[in-house]
Amino acid sequence: SQTIHQWPATLVQPVGSPLSLECTVEGTSNPNLYWYRQAAGRGLQLLFYSIGIDQISSEVPQNLSASRPQDRQFILSSKKLLLSDSGFYLCAWSVPSGAYTDTQYFGPGTRLTVL
Amino acid sequence: AQSVSQHNHHVILSEAASLELGCNYSYGGTVNLFWYVQYPGQHLQLLLKYFSGDPLVKGIKGFEAEFIKSKFSFNLRKPSVQWSDTAEYFCAVNPTGFQKLVFGTGTRLLVSP
Repeated sequence: SQTIHQWPATLVQPVGSPLSLECTVEGTSNPNLYWYRQAAGRGLQLLFYSIGIDQISSEVPQNLSASRPQDRQFILSSKKLLLSDSGFYLCAWSVPSGAYTDTQYFGPGTRLTVL
Repeated sequence: AQSVSQHNHHVILSEAASLELGCNYSYGGTVNLFWYVQYPGQHLQLLLKYFSGDPLVKGIKGFEAEFIKSKFSFNLRKPSVQWSDTAEYFCAVNPTGFQKLVFGTGTRLLVSP
Protein backbone atom coordinates (compact mmCIF):
# COMPACT_ATOMS: atom_id res chain seq x y z
CA SER A 1 0.00 0.00 0.00
CA GLN A 2 1.01 3.58 -0.50
CA THR A 3 2.20 5.77 2.33
CA ILE A 4 3.31 9.36 2.53
CA HIS A 5 5.75 10.74 5.05
CA GLN A 6 6.56 14.27 6.08
CA TRP A 7 9.20 15.58 8.42
CA PRO A 8 9.70 17.21 10.66
CA ALA A 9 6.30 17.15 12.34
CA THR A 10 6.86 20.48 14.04
CA LEU A 11 9.43 23.19 13.55
CA VAL A 12 10.15 26.50 15.22
CA GLN A 13 12.48 28.76 13.28
CA PRO A 14 13.66 32.37 13.66
CA VAL A 15 12.90 34.95 11.01
CA GLY A 16 15.57 34.97 8.34
CA SER A 17 16.61 31.36 8.83
CA PRO A 18 16.47 28.75 6.04
CA LEU A 19 13.84 26.06 5.72
CA SER A 20 13.74 22.57 4.34
CA LEU A 21 10.68 20.35 4.63
CA GLU A 22 10.72 16.89 3.15
CA CYS A 23 8.00 14.68 1.79
CA THR A 24 8.39 11.14 0.51
CA VAL A 25 5.89 8.72 -0.96
CA GLU A 26 6.20 4.95 -0.90
CA GLY A 27 4.41 2.27 -2.85
CA THR A 28 3.72 4.14 -6.07
CA SER A 29 5.65 5.39 -9.07
CA ASN A 30 5.59 8.72 -10.86
CA PRO A 31 3.00 10.29 -8.59
CA ASN A 32 1.81 13.86 -8.88
CA LEU A 33 3.10 15.68 -5.81
CA TYR A 34 1.74 18.78 -4.11
CA TRP A 35 2.65 21.23 -1.36
CA TYR A 36 -0.15 23.08 0.42
CA ARG A 37 -0.17 25.59 3.24
CA GLN A 38 -3.04 25.72 5.68
CA ALA A 39 -3.33 29.00 7.50
CA ALA A 40 -6.01 29.69 10.08
CA GLY A 41 -9.29 30.62 8.42
CA ARG A 42 -7.85 30.39 4.93
CA GLY A 43 -8.26 26.77 3.96
CA LEU A 44 -5.59 24.98 2.01
CA GLN A 45 -3.60 27.02 -0.42
CA LEU A 46 -1.75 25.17 -3.16
CA LEU A 47 1.87 26.28 -3.24
CA PHE A 48 3.54 23.94 -5.73
CA TYR A 49 2.74 20.86 -7.72
CA SER A 50 4.90 18.50 -9.69
CA ILE A 51 4.05 15.98 -12.38
CA GLY A 52 7.59 14.61 -12.63
CA ILE A 53 11.21 14.99 -11.63
CA ASP A 54 12.30 18.59 -12.09
CA GLN A 55 8.81 19.49 -13.35
CA ILE A 56 7.42 21.89 -10.79
CA SER A 57 4.76 24.54 -11.09
CA SER A 58 4.40 27.40 -8.65
CA GLU A 59 0.93 28.63 -7.84
CA VAL A 60 1.62 31.74 -5.80
CA PRO A 61 4.53 34.17 -5.67
CA GLN A 62 6.40 33.89 -2.41
CA ASN A 63 9.81 33.31 -0.91
CA LEU A 64 9.38 29.54 -0.95
CA SER A 65 10.69 27.11 -3.53
CA ALA A 66 10.20 23.42 -4.23
CA SER A 67 12.37 20.72 -5.69
CA ARG A 68 11.87 17.12 -6.71
CA PRO A 69 15.25 15.48 -6.82
CA GLN A 70 13.81 11.96 -6.99
CA ASP A 71 10.57 10.51 -8.30
CA ARG A 72 8.97 10.17 -4.88
CA GLN A 73 10.65 12.97 -2.98
CA PHE A 74 9.36 16.52 -2.79
CA ILE A 75 11.16 19.23 -0.85
CA LEU A 76 9.91 22.64 0.21
CA SER A 77 12.59 25.24 0.92
CA SER A 78 13.21 28.82 1.78
CA LYS A 79 16.44 30.78 2.01
CA LYS A 80 15.05 33.29 4.52
CA LEU A 81 11.84 32.70 6.44
CA LEU A 82 9.31 35.44 7.07
CA LEU A 83 6.81 35.66 9.91
CA SER A 84 4.06 35.15 7.35
CA ASP A 85 5.49 31.73 6.46
CA SER A 86 4.10 30.30 9.69
CA GLY A 87 1.44 27.71 9.08
CA PHE A 88 0.67 24.07 8.58
CA TYR A 89 2.32 22.59 5.51
CA LEU A 90 0.80 19.57 3.86
CA CYS A 91 2.24 17.35 1.20
CA ALA A 92 -0.05 15.28 -1.00
CA TRP A 93 0.20 12.85 -3.85
CA SER A 94 -2.13 11.55 -6.54
CA VAL A 95 -2.04 9.05 -9.35
CA PRO A 96 -2.00 10.87 -12.66
CA SER A 97 -5.27 10.21 -14.45
CA GLY A 98 -5.21 11.60 -17.93
CA ALA A 99 -5.72 15.33 -17.93
CA TYR A 100 -7.23 15.79 -14.52
CA THR A 101 -6.47 15.20 -10.91
CA ASP A 102 -7.64 12.06 -9.22
CA THR A 103 -8.04 11.76 -5.47
CA GLN A 104 -5.24 13.37 -3.50
CA TYR A 105 -3.76 11.65 -0.46
CA PHE A 106 -2.34 13.82 2.24
CA GLY A 107 0.56 13.47 4.60
CA PRO A 108 0.51 14.23 8.33
CA GLY A 109 1.77 17.78 7.84
CA THR A 110 4.44 19.99 9.37
CA ARG A 111 3.55 22.75 11.82
CA LEU A 112 5.96 25.63 11.18
CA THR A 113 6.21 28.55 13.56
CA VAL A 114 8.42 31.45 12.59
CA LEU A 115 9.36 33.74 15.48
CA ALA B 1 -9.66 32.78 -10.80
CA GLN B 2 -11.41 29.71 -9.48
CA SER B 3 -12.63 29.92 -5.91
CA VAL B 4 -14.54 27.79 -3.44
CA SER B 5 -16.77 29.23 -0.72
CA GLN B 6 -17.77 27.50 2.46
CA HIS B 7 -20.05 29.88 4.24
CA ASN B 8 -20.26 28.05 7.55
CA HIS B 9 -16.96 28.39 9.36
CA HIS B 10 -18.10 26.84 12.62
CA VAL B 11 -21.06 24.55 13.20
CA ILE B 12 -22.16 23.14 16.53
CA LEU B 13 -24.73 20.35 16.63
CA SER B 14 -26.08 17.86 19.10
CA GLU B 15 -25.86 14.18 18.35
CA ALA B 16 -28.62 12.89 16.04
CA ALA B 17 -29.13 16.32 14.50
CA SER B 18 -29.06 16.61 10.72
CA LEU B 19 -26.12 18.26 9.01
CA GLU B 20 -25.78 20.26 5.85
CA LEU B 21 -22.58 22.10 4.99
CA GLY B 22 -22.64 24.48 2.08
CA CYS B 23 -20.08 24.62 -0.71
CA ASN B 24 -20.21 26.89 -3.74
CA TYR B 25 -17.61 27.31 -6.43
CA SER B 26 -16.92 29.78 -9.15
CA TYR B 27 -15.88 28.13 -12.38
CA GLY B 28 -17.87 27.97 -15.55
CA GLY B 29 -16.45 24.79 -17.00
CA THR B 30 -16.58 21.13 -16.09
CA VAL B 31 -15.40 20.34 -12.59
CA ASN B 32 -14.62 17.44 -10.33
CA LEU B 33 -15.77 17.93 -6.76
CA PHE B 34 -14.50 16.61 -3.45
CA TRP B 35 -15.17 16.72 0.25
CA TYR B 36 -12.24 16.06 2.53
CA VAL B 37 -12.34 15.63 6.29
CA GLN B 38 -9.70 16.09 8.95
CA TYR B 39 -10.46 14.40 12.26
CA PRO B 40 -8.56 15.67 15.30
CA GLY B 41 -4.98 14.45 15.15
CA GLN B 42 -5.43 12.65 11.83
CA HIS B 43 -4.49 13.18 8.21
CA LEU B 44 -6.75 14.98 5.83
CA GLN B 45 -8.70 12.23 4.07
CA LEU B 46 -11.23 11.89 1.29
CA LEU B 47 -14.88 11.74 2.33
CA LEU B 48 -16.48 11.56 -1.11
CA LYS B 49 -16.03 12.76 -4.66
CA TYR B 50 -18.02 13.51 -7.77
CA PHE B 51 -16.63 13.13 -11.27
CA SER B 52 -19.71 12.41 -13.40
CA GLY B 53 -23.02 10.55 -13.43
CA ASP B 54 -25.51 10.59 -10.57
CA PRO B 55 -25.24 14.02 -8.92
CA LEU B 56 -26.06 12.51 -5.53
CA VAL B 57 -22.86 10.98 -4.24
CA LYS B 58 -22.57 8.74 -1.23
CA GLY B 59 -19.38 8.62 0.80
CA ILE B 60 -18.02 6.99 3.90
CA LYS B 61 -19.66 7.11 7.33
CA GLY B 62 -23.13 7.93 6.03
CA PHE B 63 -22.22 11.21 4.34
CA GLU B 64 -23.61 12.24 0.98
CA ALA B 65 -23.32 15.28 -1.23
CA GLU B 66 -25.40 16.62 -4.07
CA PHE B 67 -23.98 18.37 -7.09
CA ILE B 68 -26.35 21.04 -8.40
CA LYS B 69 -24.76 22.38 -11.54
CA SER B 70 -27.16 25.29 -11.95
CA LYS B 71 -26.29 26.53 -8.47
CA PHE B 72 -22.57 25.76 -8.66
CA SER B 73 -23.01 23.92 -5.37
CA PHE B 74 -21.87 20.68 -3.79
CA ASN B 75 -23.40 20.59 -0.32
CA LEU B 76 -22.51 17.90 2.17
CA ARG B 77 -25.23 16.20 4.19
CA LYS B 78 -25.69 13.64 6.89
CA PRO B 79 -29.12 12.84 8.35
CA SER B 80 -27.92 12.09 11.87
CA VAL B 81 -24.51 13.15 13.14
CA GLN B 82 -22.47 11.41 15.79
CA TRP B 83 -19.95 12.73 18.26
CA SER B 84 -17.24 11.05 16.16
CA ASP B 85 -18.11 13.34 13.24
CA THR B 86 -16.41 16.20 15.06
CA ALA B 87 -13.82 17.34 12.53
CA GLU B 88 -12.95 19.99 9.99
CA TYR B 89 -14.53 19.56 6.57
CA PHE B 90 -13.11 20.95 3.35
CA CYS B 91 -14.77 21.25 -0.01
CA ALA B 92 -12.47 21.16 -3.03
CA VAL B 93 -12.87 21.67 -6.75
CA ASN B 94 -10.73 20.44 -9.60
CA PRO B 95 -11.42 22.29 -12.82
CA THR B 96 -11.18 19.61 -15.48
CA GLY B 97 -7.86 19.76 -17.27
CA PHE B 98 -6.03 21.35 -14.37
CA GLN B 99 -3.65 19.35 -12.21
CA LYS B 100 -4.73 20.91 -8.94
CA LEU B 101 -7.44 21.24 -6.33
CA VAL B 102 -8.87 24.51 -5.12
CA PHE B 103 -9.97 24.23 -1.51
CA GLY B 104 -12.50 26.12 0.51
CA THR B 105 -11.62 27.61 3.88
CA GLY B 106 -13.10 24.70 5.77
CA THR B 107 -15.91 24.22 8.28
CA ARG B 108 -15.24 23.15 11.84
CA LEU B 109 -17.98 20.86 13.07
CA LEU B 110 -18.40 20.18 16.75
CA VAL B 111 -20.91 17.52 17.74
CA SER B 112 -21.82 17.50 21.38
CA PRO B 113 -22.81 14.15 22.93
